Amino acid sequence: GQQVMQIPQYQHVQEGEDFTTYCNSSTTLSNIQWYKQRPGGHPVFLIQLVKSGEVKKQKRLTFQFGEAKKNSSLHITATQTTDVGTYFCAGLRAGGTSYGKLTFGQGTILTVHP
Amino acid sequence: DGGITQSPKYLFRKEGQNVTLSCEQNLNHDAMYWYRQDPGQGLRLIYYSQIVNDFQKGDIAEGYSVSREKKESFPLTVTSAQKNPTAFYLCASSILTGYYGYTFGSGTRLTVV
Repeated sequence: GQQVMQIPQYQHVQEGEDFTTYCNSSTTLSNIQWYKQRPGGHPVFLIQLVKSGEVKKQKRLTFQFGEAKKNSSLHITATQTTDVGTYFCAGLRAGGTSYGKLTFGQGTILTVHP
Repeated sequence: DGGITQSPKYLFRKEGQNVTLSCEQNLNHDAMYWYRQDPGQGLRLIYYSQIVNDFQKGDIAEGYSVSREKKESFPLTVTSAQKNPTAFYLCASSILTGYYGYTFGSGTRLTVV
């Protein structure tokens, strides 16, 4: 079945440093979504990427979708303590019968030291 | 305000007992989902439903059952057949399956004692 791998599993940074998490799918994706889960909370939808090579920005967050639509990344510039949490990518398989079934990566747990 | 309500927030169950987790949404979303979250394993899909009276098994459906009698409601029953039920359970919904972001409930933390 489809697998979505996310690395690293953990990332510890000093406040002000940059952070990047990477997502790789075993199959070509129709789209990829990113979610953030604060400690003790639930995942919150951040963004969706659909087009090959697409880049989207939300303030200090930059999201990229690979040309082959099999990988994606989330980059945070100058991290703040409010960025703490787990970041998940989730992909929808292209052309499959599993219409609507997002497959989530394992998540990257980000801690920010002030 | 629209959203998804999961109840209860914490649930304790004795081994051998079935337990039902509630999930209600007032977002008028067609699709609803149940995920299980364990440390280090991300979110794993248990069941999902695209329309009323229809639902599909996810990747880890064994030991679980669901119903979708109303558009707003998608309860999950954790049966005694589930070998390791202690986990954090998340319900989600979306407008059109897969092409819009999911809205998640606040989750139910189930502990088997």
